[in-house]
Amino acid sequence: DAGVIQSPRHEVTEMGQEVTLRCKPISGHNSLFWYRQTMMRGLELLIYFNNNVPIDDSGMPEDRFSAKMPNASFSTLKIQPSEPRDSAVYFCASSSDREGTDTQYFGPGTRLTVL
Amino acid sequence: DQQVKQNSPSLSVQEGRISILNCDYTNSMFDYFLWYKKYPAEGPTFLISISSIKDKNEDGRFTVFLNKSAKHLSLHIVPSQPGDSAVYFCAASFRGTYKYIFGTGTRLKVLA
Repeated sequence: DAGVIQSPRHEVTEMGQEVTLRCKPISGHNSLFWYRQTMMRGLELLIYFNNNVPIDDSGMPEDRFSAKMPNASFSTLKIQPSEPRDSAVYFCASSSDREGTDTQYFGPGTRLTVL
Repeated sequence: DQQVKQNSPSLSVQEGRISILNCDYTNSMFDYFLWYKKYPAEGPTFLISISSIKDKNEDGRFTVFLNKSAKHLSLHIVPSQPGDSAVYFCAASFRGTYKYIFGTGTRLKVLA
């Protein structure tokens, strides 16, 4: 079975540009998470979707960040405009609350560098 | 304010010896704890978990210990192998909810 798929794996952009990160969760999973990893703060939850509906976006840093989940197999995280302090590794994770386990499975991440 | 703390950013251990990774948390209401392992250029992968009704959980070479009174958990790896070299994240949660609070990670290096 394919795991969580993220694209691109690396993104280098200039300050002020729009960045879109993509995620395909594990088939059959109904929960999706976006995390950001930095050295100082570790892994931080940005937003959580359940059955394609955003449930908790309290971790989204500011209005420059937005996330969508138009269907069960695809989600995007957009940063517009991007800033150098957004440079980090962004992970997508998915889980199923129908299997009696809440283990989250992570994708390989997108390393974002904003110059 | 970090609710889950991993105070050792790195740890080096000789192959065959025990590795002990530590984690402290501040919220006594957390009732589920997990360890994830992360290799470079990969996402974190689930390693082992423990419910607050237990004080120990074993899975092969990996054992997690929970000391609720001290709000402390530790991961023991015995014996350590070079393939265990990775970053280890601990996380705390409320069972049945989605929210994992992660620590900042400890980089383990197992020397051959």
